[in-house]
Amino acid sequence: NAGVTQTPKFQVLKTGQSMTLQCAQDMNHNSMYWYRQDPGMGLRLIYYSASEGTTDKGEVPNGYNVSRLNKREFSLRLESAAPSQTSVYFCASSAGTGGFEQYFGPGTRLTVT
Amino acid sequence: GNSVTQMEGPVTLSEEAFLTINCTYTATGYPSLFWYVQYPGEGLQLLLKATKADDKGSNKGFEATYRKETTSFHLEKGSVQVSDSAVYFCALILLRGKFQFGAGTQVVVTP
Repeated sequence: NAGVTQTPKFQVLKTGQSMTLQCAQDMNHNSMYWYRQDPGMGLRLIYYSASEGTTDKGEVPNGYNVSRLNKREFSLRLESAAPSQTSVYFCASSAGTGGFEQYFGPGTRLTVT
Repeated sequence: GNSVTQMEGPVTLSEEAFLTINCTYTATGYPSLFWYVQYPGEGLQLLLKATKADDKGSNKGFEATYRKETTSFHLEKGSVQVSDSAVYFCALILLRGKFQFGAGTQVVVTP
C-alpha cells in the first residue's frame, strides 16, 4: 500500500528555473494539499484541492501554481524559482474536508541557489 | 484568527522519563485537534486525535485530552524510549479541511 507518493525526493534549482513537483495518492481520497516546511515555522499550506476539479489558495500561494490532474494526482509548479522557495515540500491527502485526518507523503527537499 | 502554540524545543529526556509537550490553541468554534509525529527524513504521521471537548486521544502510549476550558491539547507519555525521538506537531482543523499546525517540538531521548 503506497499511500501518498512524491517525486522527486531531492532537487536543486538555479534561480529562475521552473519545475513541477508530483504527488499521487492511492487511497481514493477526495482532498489533497501542498505544504512547505521551514525551520521554526511548522507547516504552511500553499494550495489545496477540496475535490477533483477544484483548487484554492492556502496561506502562502505566491510563486506557486497547482493542477489537480485527476482524483489521484495533484502537482505543484514553481514557474520561476527563488531562493526563498528553498524548503521541504509535503503533499497530503484526506478523505474529505469534514474533520478527516491527513496522510502525508515523504516530502521533496528543494534547494534554490 | 486561528493559531496553535507549542512549547519550544528541543526537549531532551532520558529513556523511561515522563514526557509532556504543551499545546494551546485559539480558534472559532470547536475544531478537531490532532498530534502528528515526524521521524527524521520522513513525512508526518498521525499520532492521535480528539474531535470534541473532554475526548482523550491515545496511541502507542501517548495521550492527549481536549480541554475546551483551557483551549489546550497537551501530549503526554509516561515512559519514553529512544525510538520516540522525533518532532511532534499539534494541529487543529479549520474550515474546508485546512489544517493549522504548530511550529513543532523536537524531542530527543537519550539512553
